[in-house]
Amino acid sequence: DADVTQTPRNRITKTGKRIMLECSQTKGHDRMYWYRQDPGLGLRLIYYSFDVKDINKGEISDGYSVSRQAQAKFSLSLESAIPNQTALYFCATSTGRNYGYTFGSGTRLTVV
Amino acid sequence: DQQVKQNSPSLSVQEGRISILNCDYTNSMFDYFLWYKKYPAEGPTFLISISSIKDKNEDGRFTVFLNKSAKHLSLHIVPSQPGDSAVYFCAASSFGGSQGNLIFGKGTKLSVKP
Repeated sequence: DADVTQTPRNRITKTGKRIMLECSQTKGHDRMYWYRQDPGLGLRLIYYSFDVKDINKGEISDGYSVSRQAQAKFSLSLESAIPNQTALYFCATSTGRNYGYTFGSGTRLTVV
Repeated sequence: DQQVKQNSPSLSVQEGRISILNCDYTNSMFDYFLWYKKYPAEGPTFLISISSIKDKNEDGRFTVFLNKSAKHLSLHIVPSQPGDSAVYFCAASSFGGSQGNLIFGKGTKLSVKP
């Protein structure tokens, strides 16, 4: 099993729908992140969490919300999806000490 | 304002030759730098890193050079192999400033031709 698992791998949804992307990890890391990748824009931070009670906005949090249900689970929600949220979404974990991240395989989201 | 810049969106190299990927940064508080490699349909994977107290770190075919005065780092791959074809992201961090969060560049797509 992968250390960081994202579900679903692919999702097509309609404008205005609410959608949740899920991430679970077996690394035992405290820190979890949601990033978005768009062509030509690299990886941009949406939200991050240093522990269950610590949630922080990243660079592009508008239109998104998150929930840290447990140390191992961090979900990302789009309350009302819009087409410009079509992107590849990555969850990542880290210990915070060596700065290295472990990424999931990504969720490809298409909003039509 | 981009703090980490990868100005070359793509690079094409012949198998066996050297690949040099470049990265510039603007924040002098960055104290740790990393390179990630990403294949299509997969998440980025850690490749190599360097602390600001060093100017070079080597791991097999991969070497990262850091020039703090120029705020520039580069990744050298020697010799390049077709399996190295991927998107490479440069990332930087400052424990105090960004709480250890990584700031990524836009990536450089490397193509190694047989």
